[in-house]
Amino acid sequence: DQQVKQNSPSLSVQEGRISILNCDYTNSMFDYFLWYKKYPAEGPTFLISISSIKDKNEDGRFTVFLNKSAKHLSLHIVPSQPGDSAVYFCAAALYGNKLVFGAGTILRVKS
Amino acid sequence: NAGVTQTPKFQVLKTGQSMTLQCAQDMNHEYMSWYRQDPGMGLRLIHYSVGAGITDQGEVPNGYNVSRSTTEDFPLRLLSAAPSQTSVYFCASSTDYEQYFGPGTRLTVT
Repeated sequence: DQQVKQNSPSLSVQEGRISILNCDYTNSMFDYFLWYKKYPAEGPTFLISISSIKDKNEDGRFTVFLNKSAKHLSLHIVPSQPGDSAVYFCAAALYGNKLVFGAGTILRVKS
Repeated sequence: NAGVTQTPKFQVLKTGQSMTLQCAQDMNHEYMSWYRQDPGMGLRLIHYSVGAGITDQGEVPNGYNVSRSTTEDFPLRLLSAAPSQTSVYFCASSTDYEQYFGPGTRLTVT
């Protein structure tokens, strides 16, 4: 029973365009959501997060949107750059620091 | 700051062997955790610790053991390795929701 789902295994985007990565969750008790980026042979690195009491958080080229009624969040990257090519994981926090991760989406930004 | 370090980077075990994956952090974080990453499954929590002397099970704890004698170290022990434990293992530490991950250990059990 996957509580956090990333239904798109991969996404390909042209450099300079917008990348939109999506994530759905089933547990309404999640109180914090995070996006992690992972390059091959490295550990995941924190990208951006959002509290369940907000609907948007922005950090430079990265914006996360949260729609609690739909139990859906998305990560927007504008403009996309070749260095953004990586695996992106959505994660949700339940009872403090315990994170539940989605399966990940491979983003390829073509130059 | 070295951050979160993990050793070894790679390991091959035979079925039934035991070993310990090492994890250390120098950020004085109270919370530490172990995850495994498998294709199509994301990262799944194995065990976690909220401070020295306190550990608890995560989503997939069977076949693994942990202890936390110091704030810095959080080793993961495989008691009797099985092919199903072939995976990439990540250790993480944090003070709040944002967790810092180590570079991972790639384990193959034959």
